[in-house]
Amino acid sequence: ETGVTQTPRHLVMGMTNKKSLKCEQHLGHNAMYWYKQSAKKPLELMFVYSLEERVENNSVPSRFSPECPNSSHLFLHLHTLQPEDSALYLCASSQDSAGARSHGYTFGSGTRLTVV
Amino acid sequence: AQSVTQLGSHVSVSEGALVLLRCNYSSSVPPYLFWYVQYPNQGLQLLLKYTTGATLVKGINGFEAEFKKSETSFHLTKPSAHMSDAAEYFCAVRQYSGAGSYQLTFGKGTKLSVIP
Repeated sequence: ETGVTQTPRHLVMGMTNKKSLKCEQHLGHNAMYWYKQSAKKPLELMFVYSLEERVENNSVPSRFSPECPNSSHLFLHLHTLQPEDSALYLCASSQDSAGARSHGYTFGSGTRLTVV
Repeated sequence: AQSVTQLGSHVSVSEGALVLLRCNYSSSVPPYLFWYVQYPNQGLQLLLKYTTGATLVKGINGFEAEFKKSETSFHLTKPSAHMSDAAEYFCAVRQYSGAGSYQLTFGKGTKLSVIP
């Protein structure tokens, strides 16, 4: 148990489906992140939330929609995805958005998403 | 912008041999550097970090890394490889993303195989 829990661990969805990924942390951290990890590509930062406010959105397609209702929970809502969106989606948290300075991030185990 | 380059996407060593995984960074400011490990179907786990102070940092599982400013390097080493060290390793540098926020920029990763 890393302190950051992601559900589900695996998800298969059709291109017309709507689904959500969930991330939960009880580390008292104030910043949370979504990363996409595709084969043979570097980790791609998608979204950053600090104190429940989105502070970073790295030109992610609108078919990905994040939600941070409180500092412990982060969601990634998915709709009309494409097969190239198949990847491992990782959630991470840090003490604050400057926490990367000293403590780095705590990662969840990820959700393996397959779009068919 | 800060970035990291990991030399070699795959490294194979024999059990008991020295492990050396290379990371070079570019940064216009004193860098904060990190090494993470990812086991199959898992998230990333922090191995060690350099922020300030001693340039030789020790991490978990017998790994260590040395910050060499003159070479802009932060190579990861372990004197004797174990089978359990087989995983993918990521080097990361802290990057300022504006408005008081920081993010980690990751290298492409090096997959370590340990041969019995």
